[in-house]
Amino acid sequence: DTGVSQDPRHKITKRGQNVTFRCDPISEHNRLYWYRQTLGQGPEFLTYFQNEAQLEKSRLLSDRFSAERPKGSFSTLEIQRTEQGDSAMYLCASSPQDAGENIQYFGAGTRLSVL
Amino acid sequence: AQTVTQSQPEMSVQEAETVTLSCTYDTSENNYYLFWYKQPPSRQMILVIRQEAYKQQNATENRFSVNFQKAAKSFSLKISDSQLGDTAMYFCAFDRSGGSNYKLTFGKGTLLTVNP
Repeated sequence: DTGVSQDPRHKITKRGQNVTFRCDPISEHNRLYWYRQTLGQGPEFLTYFQNEAQLEKSRLLSDRFSAERPKGSFSTLEIQRTEQGDSAMYLCASSPQDAGENIQYFGAGTRLSVL
Repeated sequence: AQTVTQSQPEMSVQEAETVTLSCTYDTSENNYYLFWYKQPPSRQMILVIRQEAYKQQNATENRFSVNFQKAAKSFSLKISDSQLGDTAMYFCAFDRSGGSNYKLTFGKGTLLTVNP
């Protein structure tokens, strides 16, 4: 499978716990994005990496959220001290650097439920 | 800031018929990209079709075509010969061009159901 891979697919946690999600982009893509999608809404941008550099962060990304892409390949998104409002689908996408392409390829997402 | 509005939360169509999904957007940019993405139930989102704002010709991809009205800031999706596999959430999305390629702004989506 050469698509964007996300792990786990589902995560159930108790309020106050920390969780970490992983995203493996398409191998030749150097741009990686995280989005959050709540029920009945379209995805909302969280953050963006070009290679290992985090170039943009949304105001949605509170201090409890941190994302890394240490070697410019896979990325992790950590949420500390989870709250019920964090329950959502977390989507990862990747794209090649060629600006003419301008197409993002999405993973299946990680669905987080905070009890 | 850009906004994308999809005014039809749900639509249904009979198999083999044609359906049009609406999308309007607001931006001060002159060059940009518009997309329609499809999200089947419990499956990943995939690109259906894209349009570059500087191209006047409407994009087509097999049974899918768009009606892009730049002055009206409208970008509708037409699905011809609807198939059961077209049942999904459809999202309209906007991206600035000029090499930014750093985030998509999505509408709230339209749930399309194709009935046999």
